[in-house]
Amino acid sequence: GENVEQHPSTLSVQEGDSAVIKCTYSDSASNYFPWYKQELGKRPQLIIDIRSNVGEKKDQRIAVTLNKTAKHFSLHITETQPEDSAVYFCAANLSGYSTLTFGKGTMLLVSP
Amino acid sequence: DADVTQTPRNRITKTGKRIMLECSQTKGHDRMYWYRQDPGLGLRLIYYSFDVKDINKGEISDGYSVSRQAQAKFSLSLESAIPNQTALYFCATSDSGQGVGGYTFGSGTRLTVV
Repeated sequence: GENVEQHPSTLSVQEGDSAVIKCTYSDSASNYFPWYKQELGKRPQLIIDIRSNVGEKKDQRIAVTLNKTAKHFSLHITETQPEDSAVYFCAANLSGYSTLTFGKGTMLLVSP
Repeated sequence: DADVTQTPRNRITKTGKRIMLECSQTKGHDRMYWYRQDPGLGLRLIYYSFDVKDINKGEISDGYSVSRQAQAKFSLSLESAIPNQTALYFCATSDSGQGVGGYTFGSGTRLTVV
């Protein structure tokens, strides 16, 4: 069925390293790809998003890349800090609908 | 600040009981959603509404119902709660003005069915 696959499920890095989380989607009609960060006990919050007419978007230490041909998109965090530790979710509007389908999440742990 | 508010924050209920989770928003958004979060399963869509008279089933609507009482209010009901409905429930809103866009989530309701 239509879905969003996210990898890895857990990721441990040292402070200052880079972290990359990857997602694939099943439907070429998808055109909106947001990323959410959920800290422990908190609500998910939008950190960056990209639309299908753009290949890359950056916001300070975070960036998202999109490969429409391969139907995958990735979140890149550079110079990681302990406060980046959280669960990250990718999402896509499958079939071009206005609802979002989420990946299963990646738990990122940044060690000092 | 404009926000999305869910009540209650935590609830323990017994199997077979009817329970309602409420969501209200001051963001002026027209679209509202209910998702449930389970460990390792991410966020799954239960129901959504694009306007007061619009109600749509999501991926996992069985056992749930919703009511959009006003543009700012969207309630989720469990008619007869069962233990596998134990989860963290999130309400979310978005603005249709830019087509599909990012959600603003409420603070969540942790529901335990015993």
